Amino acid sequence: DQQVKQNSPSLSVQEGRISILNCDYTNSMFDYFLWYKKYPAEGPTFLISISSIKDKNEDGRFTVFLNKSAKHLSLHIVPSQPGDSAVYFCAATAGGTSYGKLTFGQGTILTVHP
Amino acid sequence: ETGVTQSPTHLIKTRGQQVTLRCSSQSGHNTVSWYQQALGQGPQFIFQYYREEENGRGNFPPRFSGLQFPNYSSELNVNALELDDSALYLCASWATGYGNQPQHFGDGTRLSIL
Repeated sequence: DQQVKQNSPSLSVQEGRISILNCDYTNSMFDYFLWYKKYPAEGPTFLISISSIKDKNEDGRFTVFLNKSAKHLSLHIVPSQPGDSAVYFCAATAGGTSYGKLTFGQGTILTVHP
Repeated sequence: ETGVTQSPTHLIKTRGQQVTLRCSSQSGHNTVSWYQQALGQGPQFIFQYYREEENGRGNFPPRFSGLQFPNYSSELNVNALELDDSALYLCASWATGYGNQPQHFGDGTRLSIL
């Protein structure tokens, strides 16, 4: 039962262009969503999050969009840089006493070419 | 501010053995979660600890157990190791009681079962 899905295993983008990473979820109880970046031999690094009361959150080059009706979120990176090349995971959790259990997607490998 | 640290970095065990992995949470964080990440997959939630008690568990058998200490550091213990236990084990920490916030991860322990 894959409650969080990242359907694109990989994405290749030219430096300076926009990278768009997508994520779908099935559990309507999820109300907090996060994106993490992971380099080899390192743990996941938090990038940006969004609560279900919002539909957009920005932090510098990173913007996350949430479409609750479609149960879909996306991460936009503009402009993309070679240092952004990593595995990106989306994660979701339900609030209240269920907060803490993050459910992750399978990850998308982003490669940004100079 | 000290981040989440895990030890050891790598570990090799044989089937049937027992293992203990350790985690020091980030300064100011009182809650710890453990995750298992198999190759090519997203992290899977094992359990979380708050106030030295387990207060959430994923779909893992009882041979996976944990402890949290008064200083909020934590241990993950796995008994009767199986080949499928080979994975990256990640620890994450955050501060409960401050609303939705991101979990911060350590770099993990790579466990190999021979």
